Order: sequence, then structure tokens, then C-alpha cells
Amino acid sequence: EVQMVQSGSEVRKPGTTVKISCKVSGYTFTDYYIHWVQQAPGKGLEWMGLIDPEDDETIYAEKFQGRITITADTSADTAYLDLSSLRSEDTAVYYCATDSVSGYGDYDYWGQGTLITVSS
Amino acid sequence: HSALTQPPSASGSPGQSVTISCTGTSSDVGGYEYVSWYQQYPGKAPKLIIFGVNKRPSGVPYRFSASKSGNTASLTVSGLQTEDEADYYCSSYAGSNNYVFGTGTKLTVL
Repeated sequence: EVQMVQSGSEVRKPGTTVKISCKVSGYTFTDYYIHWVQQAPGKGLEWMGLIDPEDDETIYAEKFQGRITITADTSADTAYLDLSSLRSEDTAVYYCATDSVSGYGDYDYWGQGTLITVSS
Repeated sequence: HSALTQPPSASGSPGQSVTISCTGTSSDVGGYEYVSWYQQYPGKAPKLIIFGVNKRPSGVPYRFSASKSGNTASLTVSGLQTEDEADYYCSSYAGSNNYVFGTGTKLTVL
């Protein structure tokens, strides 16, 4: 059974950095890209970026360029999302997801979500 | 890439059919056969209900169907049931390993 288990909720002050983890099991970690998706309270889904765990290639959405870093630790089957220079608008639930269907964004497995609250 | 455009809300009575649209551009929806749809309940992660424009993952009821014409994709829910009340999002591949989601539609079963 595929599982994606994310780290717990965090509270951060504006201007700081947060790191969220996503540990996967049930498949070979390097077989599929890991994507990260943001959902602000009461708002829609927004694609943030992805990593290919096989070669650490990353692609980031333009909106988050310069503030986002996605990494992967193949020894721990875990992907990470770092988001820096946090502002109140970054308060959101962050999901990791993977696409084992087509490799083109059909996210059939999701983490449970991690709530990040940015508040002074 | 700008978010794909969906109607904010849709509604129907039990047993009826409802269709939700998802409009993009030739750089995303119109350019690839990689449109997917997700169902999301409050406080839960999204669930994939359609992939590859019109394919259903195992376990998704036949009541959910989808199609695409030009730059607009559509999701149809037939024989509405109360448990279909949820938020629905489309998404599309947008080239060069970029992806875009729709703005989301809240489906109400009256």
C-alpha cells in the first residue's frame, strides 16, 4: 500500500523558513516525481513544484521561484519542501503528491497535508 | 501559468446530472491529453477521480465522466448522490514539467 506521511503542523514568524517532510512507502521512491501543492484557507489548489528523486532535478512554479527548495533523501525515502521569507499569505495546508499513473500530473497518492501558520 | 477557470459553484438535485467546466488555453488544457479531476471533502486531501481527460481510476463510480473540447474540459456527475457534495478541481499538464490547477467548483446537492 502506497503511503505518503507528512510532518506535523508548524507555526512560523514572518521572514523565517519552514521545512516540511513527506515520507513515502509502498513503492520505489525513485520511480515517480514528488510534487508539492499549496492550499490556502478556503482557497484552491496551487502547484508549487516537483522533484525527480532519481536525479534531484527540480522544477518550480514561477510564483515561488527564489523562495522554494525541494529536496529528496533517497536513503530515507523522504522528500522535503523548504519555503523561505515566509509571509502571512503563505499560511496554508501543503500537500505532497505523486503520480504513478502517467507521469503528467495525475496525482493518485497524496500526503495528509501539513498546516503552516505564519503569524507574528 | 494562470489558473484554469472553473465556475465557483454548481448544484443539482439527487438523481440529476451536473456538468462542471474547466477552461484553459492551448498551452495547457488544449495542448495535452493530460487533464485530471479531483474531488475534495473539507479537511481532506484531494482524490483523483479522472485522469488522462476521460479515464476513471479503479473504484471511481461510473457516474463520473469527463471530456475535452478545445481548451475546455468538462466533468459530468450523473445520478447525483448526497455524497457527491464536495469541491472539484481540474488540473492540466502545461508543458516543460509545469502543471496548473483549476480555480475549483463547490458542488451542492440540493
